[in-house]
Amino acid sequence: GESVGLHLPTLSVQEGDNSIINCAYSNSASDYFIWYKQESGKGPQFIIDIRSNMDKRQGQRVTVLLNKTVKHLSLQIAATQPGDSAVYFCAENRLPGAGSYQLTFGKGTKLSVIP
Amino acid sequence: DTEVTQTPKHLVMGMTNKKSLKCEQHMGHRAMYWYKQKAKKPPELMFVYSYEKLSINESVPSRFSPECPNSSLLNLHLHALQPEDSALYLCASSHQQDLNTEAFFGQGTRLTVV
Repeated sequence: GESVGLHLPTLSVQEGDNSIINCAYSNSASDYFIWYKQESGKGPQFIIDIRSNMDKRQGQRVTVLLNKTVKHLSLQIAATQPGDSAVYFCAENRLPGAGSYQLTFGKGTKLSVIP
Repeated sequence: DTEVTQTPKHLVMGMTNKKSLKCEQHMGHRAMYWYKQKAKKPPELMFVYSYEKLSINESVPSRFSPECPNSSLLNLHLHALQPEDSALYLCASSHQQDLNTEAFFGQGTRLTVV
C-alpha cells in the first residue's frame, strides 16, 4: 500500500551543526505535508508544513524542501541545539475519499544533539 | 488557546475494567481524532470525528468505543482491553476534516493494561 517513510531512523549531530532529516512518500496524489517533533513523553508538536504547489518553505531555523519529481521531503534545522533532540515525523494529509482527509505518519527519525 | 487537553495523563487498568479517556479543545475545531502510538512507532489513526459525527473508524476493535458529546469534547471508552493495547493514546483536532490543515495534538494518555 502507499505510505510515507523515512530514509534514516537515527541521526546524531554536533551542537551548532545543521541537521537534515529526510522522508520519502509514495502517494503522488498527496498535496500537503507536515513535519512534527515529538519529545519523550509528549504529543507531536507541529513544526512546519508545505503544500504541493511549493518547493520550499522556511520557518524559524527550519526549512522544508519538497521534491515532487522524486517524492521526497526534507527538514533542515539550522544551528541545531540540544533542545532539538526529539523524534521527527513527516506526515502526509491523504485524501482517500472525497472531503475526508487523514493524517498519516512516516516512521520517524530520532535526532540526538551532542553538546 | 491552542491547546488540546487530555486526561488522565497516565492510566493503569485491569483487563476487566471499564475506563474512559477524555480530550478537550476550545479552538473551534470541528474535526477530532484518536491516535494510538506504540513505543518507537509513529501514531496510527483510530477514529475521526467530523462535526461530532464518526467519519472514519480504522477497523478498531469494539473494546474501544469513541464518543463525541459536543464540538469541544472527545472521549474514548475502554472495556475488556488486552495487555497489547498498552500504548500512548493521542487526541488531535483540526479546523475541519475537509480542509487541508495541520492537526494539533494533546500530550497523550499513557495507558498500561495489566
